Amino acid sequence: AQSVTQLGSHVSVSEGALVLLRCNYSSSVPPYLFWYVQYPNQGLQLLLKYTSAATLVKGINDFEAEFKKSETSFHLTKPSAHMSDAAEYFCAVSPSNTGKLIFGQGTTLQVKP
Amino acid sequence: DGGITQSPKYLFRKEGQNVTLSCEQNLNHDAMYWYRQDPGQGLRLIYYSQIVNDFQKGDIAEGYSVSREKKESFPLTVTSAQKNPTAFYLCASSTLGGRQPQHFGDGTRLSIL
Repeated sequence: AQSVTQLGSHVSVSEGALVLLRCNYSSSVPPYLFWYVQYPNQGLQLLLKYTSAATLVKGINDFEAEFKKSETSFHLTKPSAHMSDAAEYFCAVSPSNTGKLIFGQGTTLQVKP
Repeated sequence: DGGITQSPKYLFRKEGQNVTLSCEQNLNHDAMYWYRQDPGQGLRLIYYSQIVNDFQKGDIAEGYSVSREKKESFPLTVTSAQKNPTAFYLCASSTLGGRQPQHFGDGTRLSIL
């Protein structure tokens, strides 16, 4: 069965510091992977997606993620955190052509001034 | 601009009452989804539909019902059988094929009076 594990339910960084949010997946088929961001009381917005075209994926707001098959990981990074990056982040895997997504538990990012 | 509209933003339910959450999309997407979000539990799939007049149960369908009479609309009814309905409900849609990302509405927060 496919699954997603996000390591760390809360991550705190200082403004200007590197952001690293971890995601590991389990999939019996080549995975399609997504990162979403959610601000309080809002829906999810797509940050980026991996669809096997390139292992390093660039998304919006300077976020990027690297697909590492050997480590079954898809960690999200940003070189310099902004206060506006404070939100909850979800990693998701699409295991089949049904369109269904399997989400991780989410990681709340806190950015300190 | 195209998007997904969920209404109402906040909803209150009395014990033993059914309530219906609205979800409308103008993205011309074939597939639509309902998720429930609880703190620390990520998103859990309630129901999904890939075509008009057809839908499938997700992981936590008990106590919920849906209909898909129009491509644009996918309302969710929270029935009195759902004993713990307090949660944030998210509707999403996507195109079919190729494991496309899902687009989300801004959610409905349901509380029990």
